[in-house]
Amino acid sequence: AQSVTQLGSHVSVSEGALVLLRCNYSSSVPPYLFWYVQYPNQGLQLLLKYTSAATLVKGINGFEAEFKKSETSFHLTKPSAHMSDAAEYFCAVRMYNNNDMRFGAGTRLTVKP
Amino acid sequence: DVKVTQSSRYLVKRTGEKVFLECVQDMDHENMFWYRQDPGLGLRLIYFSYDVKMKEKGDIPEGYSVSREKKERFSLILESASTNQTSMYLCASSLELRDANTGELFFGEGSRLTVL
Repeated sequence: AQSVTQLGSHVSVSEGALVLLRCNYSSSVPPYLFWYVQYPNQGLQLLLKYTSAATLVKGINGFEAEFKKSETSFHLTKPSAHMSDAAEYFCAVRMYNNNDMRFGAGTRLTVKP
Repeated sequence: DVKVTQSSRYLVKRTGEKVFLECVQDMDHENMFWYRQDPGLGLRLIYFSYDVKMKEKGDIPEGYSVSREKKERFSLILESASTNQTSMYLCASSLELRDANTGELFFGEGSRLTVL
């Protein structure tokens, strides 16, 4: 079964600094990949998704992610962090023929002034 | 926009009580899911349903049951609540995987359950 590993349960950056949140998946076939964000006491909302159309995917709020098949990675980046980016971020994977979506353990992003 | 509504944001129940968590979606999605979210563990799938009256066990179904009598509604039932079921419960829905649809999930705001 596919799975997702998020490296780092907590990431702290300064406002204006680069944000890099890491995600690796285990699958022999490139799956659908997603990044979701969760603000305190809220549900998850979709940031972006990879569907094989393009390896560099742009999402909302200035985030983007690059699919690298050779590294089985789908890391999330943002060039300049903003205080409002403080949240928990989840990477998720879903196979083409499977309704089951698998989530990573999450990475909590803190943005320091 | 898709709206997934969970009936209760916060609940406090006693050990042994029967607990119902209700979820309604308004976009005619075929699939509905119940996840449990705990710190450091991410989201774990309890049950999902791909059609009315159909259900599949997820990773942690023990102690839970579900009901889907109508397409828009998916209920999670704790037959006899225990303290280790204190958690955040998230409902989600999605279209069926077909054609160009990636089956992304749309989430409700969550139900935080405390069992005393």
